[in-house]
Amino acid sequence: GQQVMQIPQYQHVQEGEDFTTYCNSSTTLSNIQWYKQRPGGHPVFLIQLVKSGEVKKQKRLTFQFGEAKKNSSLHITATQTTDVGTYFCAVAGGTSYGKLTFGQGTILTVHP
Amino acid sequence: DVKVTQSSRYLVKRTGEKVFLECVQDMDHENMFWYRQDPGLGLRLIYFSYDVKMKEKGDIPEGYSVSREKKERFSLILESASTNQTSMYLCASSFEGIYGYTFGSGTRLTVV
Repeated sequence: GQQVMQIPQYQHVQEGEDFTTYCNSSTTLSNIQWYKQRPGGHPVFLIQLVKSGEVKKQKRLTFQFGEAKKNSSLHITATQTTDVGTYFCAVAGGTSYGKLTFGQGTILTVHP
Repeated sequence: DVKVTQSSRYLVKRTGEKVFLECVQDMDHENMFWYRQDPGLGLRLIYFSYDVKMKEKGDIPEGYSVSREKKERFSLILESASTNQTSMYLCASSFEGIYGYTFGSGTRLTVV
């Protein structure tokens, strides 16, 4: 099935610093989704990107889909302690059933 | 507020027991999914269903089965629980096609 590599695995930042996580695929993706999982919680859907070169913003979060649709990034500007958690990308498995394959996730720690 | 409800937050079972994990969604979603989440391994798809009585194996179906008799309910069955099935189990649902998932709160299963 579809596979995606997510880096880094861990990221420790001071509050106020920026943070970026990346997802890379060897094949062209139809779309990519991003999720956030707070410690002790469950993944929560953030956004879906579909178009080549697409950029979407949600407050301090900026999501990008590469021109070749083989990579994506999530950037957080001026991190806050509320940003802690694991960020996952997820890609469709190529069927119409909506089956997703998740990246390994990036665990973000924010030091106050 | 839309919901995916998993019947138990924590569960402890003995090796060899038959275990039922229940998931109910109130969003009239066609697709339902069972994932397990383990440290370092991310989220791995066990089974999914795209319609009542329809099911497909995911990436790690061995030792599991599922049942979907009604659209809103998707059950995961561990036929004979083993210690290597100790994990966090997450149920999710989505509309037909490629849409964001809504996850339940998860069931942390311990097999002793």
